Amino acid sequence: NAGVTQTPKFQVLKTGQSMTLQCAQDMNHEYMSWYRQDPGMGLRLIHYSVGAGITDQGEVPNGYNVSRSTTEDFPLRLLSAAPSQTSVYFCASSPGLALGGTQYFGPGTRLTVL
Amino acid sequence: AQSVAQPEDQVNVAEGNPLTVKCTYSVSGNPYLFWYVQYPNRGLQFLLKYITGDNLVKGSYGFEAEFNKSQTSFHLKKPSALVSDSALYFCAVRDGRGSTLGRLYFGRGTQLTVWP
Repeated sequence: NAGVTQTPKFQVLKTGQSMTLQCAQDMNHEYMSWYRQDPGMGLRLIHYSVGAGITDQGEVPNGYNVSRSTTEDFPLRLLSAAPSQTSVYFCASSPGLALGGTQYFGPGTRLTVL
Repeated sequence: AQSVAQPEDQVNVAEGNPLTVKCTYSVSGNPYLFWYVQYPNRGLQFLLKYITGDNLVKGSYGFEAEFNKSQTSFHLKKPSALVSDSALYFCAVRDGRGSTLGRLYFGRGTQLTVWP
């Protein structure tokens, strides 16, 4: 198993540009989520999904969209990039809705918005 | 509201000495607690978790954590630190309530440095 994969690893955008961060998992996990990591802030939840066709907002959803058309993929879209979205983005997945389910993280995408 | 506090931004310890990384939490229902480690330019790796049962949880790489309900704490410990343990450590809590099922709340992280 490849686990959780993310592309690209690095990206530089100009203010106002849009892009999609890709996330895929091959573990047949129901639960997937997107976090952003900023220095001194820990990880903050952007959006999450409890299964195909079902998504919900996390702590910091503004400026981001998600969709979940398949179990495997959970892309994160930046609609109009802003410098405040400069961050490291992590995708994670977890088996089922079990409360003890461990989340497994991808390697991250480092995004810079100029 | 659910929250996690890691009161120390940095912990420094000599190799071979015991280490403790502190974590306290606040949740409405039963807590499900996790520790993750992040090495430079890498994603988060799962270390251990507490769901129920024995308050002392053993995890990867010789780490363990002690759940203390009365003090709402879940401190990470290791009897003998290694230089290779140097990394950023995150404590996280999952809410047991149905309305926010699955959401994981992270602390700000503690940078552990083990010097030779």
